Amino acid sequence: DARVTQTPRHKVTEMGQEVTMRCQPILGHNTVFWYRQTMMQGLELLAYFRNRAPLDDSGMPKDRFSAEMPDATLATLKIQPSEPRDSAVYFCASGLGVPGEQYFGPGTRLTVT
Amino acid sequence: GESVGLHLPTLSVQEGDNSIINCAYSNSASDYFIWYKQESGKGPQFIIDIRSNMDKRQGQRVTVLLNKTVKHLSLQIAATQPGDSAVYFCAENLRGAQKLVFGQGTRLTINP
Repeated sequence: DARVTQTPRHKVTEMGQEVTMRCQPILGHNTVFWYRQTMMQGLELLAYFRNRAPLDDSGMPKDRFSAEMPDATLATLKIQPSEPRDSAVYFCASGLGVPGEQYFGPGTRLTVT
Repeated sequence: GESVGLHLPTLSVQEGDNSIINCAYSNSASDYFIWYKQESGKGPQFIIDIRSNMDKRQGQRVTVLLNKTVKHLSLQIAATQPGDSAVYFCAENLRGAQKLVFGQGTRLTINP
């Protein structure tokens, strides 16, 4: 049963610290998405990649967030420095490029104190 | 601007009854719509989708209806079960954009 995996599942850190979240997309999927979910804003798209190339990161605060795909099996989302307002659940999703077809991981719950 | 919203933030139904979750969208350029189910502590899970050239699509116990005239989308769940308790999101895909815009979600609670 192929699934998107994310690590860590939970992260508590202090303001100013660097946070790195990792995602392993489903093998063979060529599209990877990063979302952030909060009670206030709901589910927001931060960035997405196709064939490891960033296609859209307009939803991501550029000054502190960065997203990369070092290889086809790993996507990373980094926040440096982290702030309390970054507290949220961050989801990774992967797909085959079919419009809307995205399979979500279990998420990383980030708390910045 | 782009927006997808929900008419009802919470819905409570009796087990065995049918439920209807509604969603309004504002972008007439959207060509594809999806309903997702999110259980506590998990990521959204695909339920059913519909393209803009269709009015209705049925799955197992679920039906999605699309009314493009009033930009309205609904999810009907037949014979609800306790396992249907979750937050349901509608999402729209903007034509050519290859990305989804999600609504705020409706929490469905099934009463025994």
